[in-house]
Amino acid sequence: RKEVEQDPGPFNVPEGATVAFNCTYSNSASQSFFWYRQDCRKEPKLLMSVYSSGNEDGRFTAQLNRASQYISLLIRDSKLSDSATYLCVVVSGGSYIPTFGRGTSLIVHP
Amino acid sequence: DARVTQTPRHKVTEMGQEVTMRCQPILGHNTVFWYRQTMMQGLELLAYFRNRAPLDDSGMPKDRFSAEMPDATLATLKIQPSEPRDSAVYFCASGFYGGGDQPQHFGDGTRLSIL
Repeated sequence: RKEVEQDPGPFNVPEGATVAFNCTYSNSASQSFFWYRQDCRKEPKLLMSVYSSGNEDGRFTAQLNRASQYISLLIRDSKLSDSATYLCVVVSGGSYIPTFGRGTSLIVHP
Repeated sequence: DARVTQTPRHKVTEMGQEVTMRCQPILGHNTVFWYRQTMMQGLELLAYFRNRAPLDDSGMPKDRFSAEMPDATLATLKIQPSEPRDSAVYFCASGFYGGGDQPQHFGDGTRLSIL
């Protein structure tokens, strides 16, 4: 089993839709979690951190489920500009080595 | 806004040539990462440094790749000799790890093509 797994998609949704991605991780000692966004041929950019209590930033909500070892990202009221690849990152405790998922592709169409 | 700076942005060269990529991490960050990204493999961690000391380079082909951090403001990744299969985007990222909760920030990347 890969350390961090994501459904590659693509998720093809209309504007205004709500879409959710999950990311599973295998190391139960993982300590920190993040979602990054990557546009085509650009660098990954931090979207949001994922806290144990969950967190929300505008239309984006991230949650952590330690018992089932996954994190999720919910995007409400999708915009065309949300089209990108969303990467989850899991940081293992102790060594603090980040592991990236392969990413989930989102396409928002008019 | 503080940024990670990578040079060059693009590099095209013939196989067998030496390639050097440079990275200036964000001031105050104590950890520097080198990644390679291809369509087939996604984002691969090649090497990383903490407080300038190399901690892990197990993702890097040792026979041709080398990573160094001669001072706190410069990290380098060298390929010698380069091969066509090294064509990829190489990203440098920096972060501060003291409690594990700080995210890393990426440079714009070096787009490398080996002919």
